[in-house]
Amino acid sequence: SQQGEEDPQALSIQEGENATMNCSYKTSINNLQWYRQNSGRGLVHLILIRSNEREKHSGRLRVTLDTSKKSSSLLITASRAADTASYFCATDLGTPLVFGKGTRLSVIA
Amino acid sequence: GAVVSQHPSWVICKSGTSVKIECRSLDFQATTMFWYRQFPKQSLMLMATSNEGSKATYEQGVEKDKFLINHASLTLSTLTVTSAHPEDSSFYICSARDRMRGNYGYTFGSGTRLTVV
Repeated sequence: SQQGEEDPQALSIQEGENATMNCSYKTSINNLQWYRQNSGRGLVHLILIRSNEREKHSGRLRVTLDTSKKSSSLLITASRAADTASYFCATDLGTPLVFGKGTRLSVIA
Repeated sequence: GAVVSQHPSWVICKSGTSVKIECRSLDFQATTMFWYRQFPKQSLMLMATSNEGSKATYEQGVEKDKFLINHASLTLSTLTVTSAHPEDSSFYICSARDRMRGNYGYTFGSGTRLTVV
């Protein structure tokens, strides 16, 4: 069953702008992961944040985690056309990863 | 880094035939592999979990006789779609968990686009 719910479902921005995607989940987790999927391709792991962490950075990516609200956000700064893809959060409860519905990001050059 | 090879990347088959999809961990041992199905513009839905040397655990609503999963070694799992029908057309993705990295070691294959005509 799906646990994560991303918001918004679709996001269209201009190149150079920042993109923020949110993810909410329902139960306690070990960690939360964000993945990227280009159309018709497999998933690429972006970043993992553990349940005892609140913020994590990786290049232009910034992830936050609020376990009290059971939510996470992914911020992509200075977006590029190549960032156009679907982004999924996945929660790890010690069982198979459970994916949210994803956010389709379009970055317009 | 960890690499999972999934083959074929796309396949077209006739109704009633069977299709086998392979998922192979190239540089690590995967005690557990997962199979997901994805419809266009939708999320990944877990179909089954397979552990090396044991029977796969299927999610509710997934027909185990239709989607045969074999995990005969620590580096290879296969999904066979038996007697395929057009409604089985979908994108199938496998994931392998590195036994040495535990919960931090999920790696995904590049997916298989199945079209049943």
